[in-house]
Amino acid sequence: GEDVEQSLFLSVREGDSSVINCTYTDSSSTYLYWYKQEPGAGLQLLTYIFSNMDMKQDQRLTVLLNKKDKHLSLRIADTQTGDSAIYFCAEYPSGGSYIPTFGRGTSLIVHP
Amino acid sequence: DARVTQTPRHKVTEMGQEVTMRCQPILGHNTVFWYRQTMMQGLELLAYFRNRAPLDDSGMPKDRFSAEMPDATLATLKIQPSEPRDSAVYFCASGSLEIQETQYFGPGTRLLVL
Repeated sequence: GEDVEQSLFLSVREGDSSVINCTYTDSSSTYLYWYKQEPGAGLQLLTYIFSNMDMKQDQRLTVLLNKKDKHLSLRIADTQTGDSAIYFCAEYPSGGSYIPTFGRGTSLIVHP
Repeated sequence: DARVTQTPRHKVTEMGQEVTMRCQPILGHNTVFWYRQTMMQGLELLAYFRNRAPLDDSGMPKDRFSAEMPDATLATLKIQPSEPRDSAVYFCASGSLEIQETQYFGPGTRLLVL
């Protein structure tokens, strides 16, 4: 079955770039998403990339997709303390089931 | 600013009691998901509705959990009887097949079963 894996923790200094990585197994995935969950809140859609794209940039966020290696990354430039949260990677399979598979989430800790 | 709403936001109950959680999806959305989030298991899919019809509830313990959509503006998740191991945060999410595959999450219901 599908599986999405992420490292559990990432610690960075304020102002540095953060790179959160994700690997997935379903090569037929259509969309790949990044969600952000702040403490006590639900998941908030951050950005997504369609499977025929290699890169997508959205202000401080850059998503890179390597389909050959089934690797997705989220880069946050100039990381701020407000970026501290859990980041979830999710893939949507093809075939019309529309049921996504989420990773376990990466806790990003930004320290001064 | 359309958003998914969930009630109650917090619930503390005793083992054996019935718990009902409600969700109002975003108007016009035709998919609804129920998830459970715990530290140990992460985010687990419990149920999935499309156009109010249940399509997948394989992740839901059938003996005590039930999910329904009595109308397009209301989804419910019920636990009867509740057990301490049901303590978790329960999220509802809605989406639209016509726009793109994505989900908009509610704020969650934090359930504690004593």
